[in-house]
Amino acid sequence: QQQVKQSPQSLIVQKGGISIINCAYENTAFDYFPWYQQFPGKGPALLIAIRPDVSEKKEGRFTISFNKSAKQFSLHIMDSQPGDSATYFCAASTGNQFYFGTGTSLTVIP
Amino acid sequence: ETGVTQSPTHLIKTRGQQVTLRCSSQSGHNTVSWYQQALGQGPQFIFQYYREEENGRGNFPPRFSGLQFPNYSSELNVNALELDDSALYLCASSFRRLAGHNEQFFGPGTRLTVL
Repeated sequence: QQQVKQSPQSLIVQKGGISIINCAYENTAFDYFPWYQQFPGKGPALLIAIRPDVSEKKEGRFTISFNKSAKQFSLHIMDSQPGDSATYFCAASTGNQFYFGTGTSLTVIP
Repeated sequence: ETGVTQSPTHLIKTRGQQVTLRCSSQSGHNTVSWYQQALGQGPQFIFQYYREEENGRGNFPPRFSGLQFPNYSSELNVNALELDDSALYLCASSFRRLAGHNEQFFGPGTRLTVL
């Protein structure tokens, strides 16, 4: 059973546009929600993370929106750039176990 | 500061064989987690080691085992390899605190192909 469901599977955005990736979870014990960026041939790298007591967190062009009652969270990439083209994973954690979504392949067209 | 390193980069084995993958933690980190990432999928948690003991395990059979050494480096051993074990194996290190979540730093992974 997939603990974290992620959509869309792939996304194509024009340079300067907004990229939005969504995730949903069921386990209300999750208390840490990170987003990772992965380039081909590399391991995932932490992009931004949020805890459930906060509804939004912004770091530069990256924003996480968190809806605790709906058990959903999303990543918004503002002013998307070709260098943002990568695979993005949402994750959820309780304690020492991290559960990852299936990933979104983002392509930003110049 | 040295990041997380893994060896080897690529490995080809045949079904039924055994394999050992290695991971060196980032300097100052005391916890290592291992993940399996199948093609086109997200990483799946295998297990975590803290203070040389297994500290949590995902839904993987006992033929997946590990070790953590006093210098916090780690090994992942897989016995009786199956075709479905073909994947990217990721190691992630972190510094475990008394409270709160610990940021994980991933290595580049080892690509295992089982023929």
